[in-house]
This record gives sequence, structure tokens and C-alpha cells, in this order.
Amino acid sequence: ETGVTQTPRHLVMGMTNKKSLKCEQHLGHNAMYWYKQSAKKPLELMFVYSLEERVENNSVPSRFSPECPNSSHLFLHLHTLQPEDSALYLCASSQEWRPGPMETQYFGPGTRLLVL
Amino acid sequence: KQEVTQIPAALSVPEGENLVLNCSFTDSAIYNLQWFRQDPGKGLTSLLLIQSSQREQTSGRLNASLDKSSGRSTLYIAASQPGDSATYLCAVTTRVNRDDKIIFGKGTRLHILP
Repeated sequence: ETGVTQTPRHLVMGMTNKKSLKCEQHLGHNAMYWYKQSAKKPLELMFVYSLEERVENNSVPSRFSPECPNSSHLFLHLHTLQPEDSALYLCASSQEWRPGPMETQYFGPGTRLLVL
Repeated sequence: KQEVTQIPAALSVPEGENLVLNCSFTDSAIYNLQWFRQDPGKGLTSLLLIQSSQREQTSGRLNASLDKSSGRSTLYIAASQPGDSATYLCAVTTRVNRDDKIIFGKGTRLHILP
């Protein structure tokens, strides 16, 4: 058990749908992250939240909208997605948001998203 | 621009053998380097973290080395077991335009043959 949970584990949606991914961490961490993992591509960082404030947004299209209501929960709201957005979306948390010399991240199991 | 490369992309070895996975990075100005394991359809698990001032870390049958000057790291797995089959990812923490970022390689898919 990693202490980071994600729901749903699998999601199929049409391009006109609106859906949300949920992440919850039980580790008492202050930072949470959304990553995208596509086939044959390196893991890509999408968003970083520290103490419920967004501190990084790596040029992600506006059809992905993150929300962090508190330090334990993170959402990724999806709307009008494209087929190329199909991927594994991973959530992670760490004690602090700056990955300093001793920092490591704890990952959830991911949500496998398929956009038709 | 920091780039992380992992070679080979896939590797199959018989059970019981010792093996080495390679990771290289283009910019030696890193805070740390991590090795992760990812099982199919699952999230990442951190295996070892090496700070920039360290040269190696060990955990059980795993040993990771870091040579910052040459931009290389190796993950050594002793006496491999079928349960070691997974994708192994290398990641460096570095500063990019005044922001700290974690940059991942594409991973090495390891298959241990029973």
C-alpha cells in the first residue's frame, strides 16, 4: 500500500464528455503532483500543488483542469479531450514541493484513460 | 536541456544472473538521482535515491551507483528473481529555469526468465 489512492482505475470517455480523476494521499504530505505516462514516452509532469496552491503548470492544455481543495486531495477535471490524451495518469505526493536532496515521491496506481 | 536516457530499452535474462541497468543524463548539475520500479498497469515505487554528494546506495540485492562527472548511473541487481520483472525508471532532480524538476528516462523493461 503506497498511501496514495486514485479513482477510477480505468476510464473510457468520448471527446465531448466531462469527467474527473481523483487522488487522495494518506501520508500527511504537503505536495501533490499529476503526471501523464504515454506509451513509449518518458513520464511527463503536468501539475504541482503545494499546500493547495498550484506552483507548476508545465504547458498543459486547458482541457485539463486541476483542483486541490486540501492537502490530501487532488482532482484532474477533463473536458473535450482528444484521442491523443489517452494515457496512464499518475498522481504522486511528497513531503514538500521542492524536490530537494532528500526528497522522493510516492505514487498512486494510476488511472488508465481511453478517449474515443 | 537535461535529458535522461536508459539503455537497453528491454532486457531478458535467466533467473539467478546478476545484471546491470544503465542510465545517463546530459547535465551533471543534479540534486539527486532516483531509481523507480513500475509493474504493469501500476504506479511507481521508489527503490533507491542517491544524493548528488553520494556515489552509491544499497538496498538488499540492489545497488545503485552515481558518477556525476560522466553523467551516468547504474542499477545492479544481484541474483535476479522472476519477481524482479518490471520496468525500471531512472529520474534526476535538476534545476530548469529557476524551477526544480524531476526528469525521467523512458525506462528499461526487465524480464527474468524462470
